[in-house]
Amino acid sequence: DAKTTQPNSMESNEEEPVHLPCNHSTISGTDYIHWYRQLPSQGPEYVIHGLTSNVNNRMASLAIAEDRKSSTLILHRATLRDAAVYYCILRDVGAGGTSYGKLTFGQGTILTVHP
Amino acid sequence: GAGVSQTPSNKVTEKGKYVELRCDPISGHTALYWYRQSLGQGPEFLIYFQGTGAADDSGLPNDRFFAVRPEGSVSTLKIQRTERGDSAVYLCASSPTTGTGGMRDTQYFGPGTRLTVL
Repeated sequence: DAKTTQPNSMESNEEEPVHLPCNHSTISGTDYIHWYRQLPSQGPEYVIHGLTSNVNNRMASLAIAEDRKSSTLILHRATLRDAAVYYCILRDVGAGGTSYGKLTFGQGTILTVHP
Repeated sequence: GAGVSQTPSNKVTEKGKYVELRCDPISGHTALYWYRQSLGQGPEFLIYFQGTGAADDSGLPNDRFFAVRPEGSVSTLKIQRTERGDSAVYLCASSPTTGTGGMRDTQYFGPGTRLTVL
């Protein structure tokens, strides 16, 4: 899987938006961009994923650059419960259209949310 | 519905002992994954099952580590002759691999088993 680069840590205030960046300059045409997060003392949980277009779900939004070499996870109103490590992961879907198999986690971004 | 469960939640053992860690995936999920997470690091892949067979065991660090999934549901990770360096949180995840769209390969993680080797 192609490599991703994220800042080690970021801070935010409660109820403010948070933009978590991810660089993936070697992304291939069949790589999906996935985001997972890991709350303290829990296993990772899926947040969102996308290929080319921006995506929204109940948890977050994903903004993907036009050249796909970077993306940003957007939390519209951070809460204390959003304090976690956020991982940006590329997954190659291949010819079959699926990306079964391992997730390759980096160090992620530690998000601290201040009350 | 019930999520992925792992037992025990904590396991303390002595160097050289044998341990078994259990994972109960979400019902109906055909894929099951084991990861290991050391303090301050992201999870590291160990092995991936599709049904009963290991589809990818490239992450197992050495032959002291072995995993089984005999009936395509519950899986057990087995570690022989434990070493202090095996101390970590062992995470299990499952995914449906059926249905439509990208959600079929989304992985759902359990809370992990914290293994401490003294």
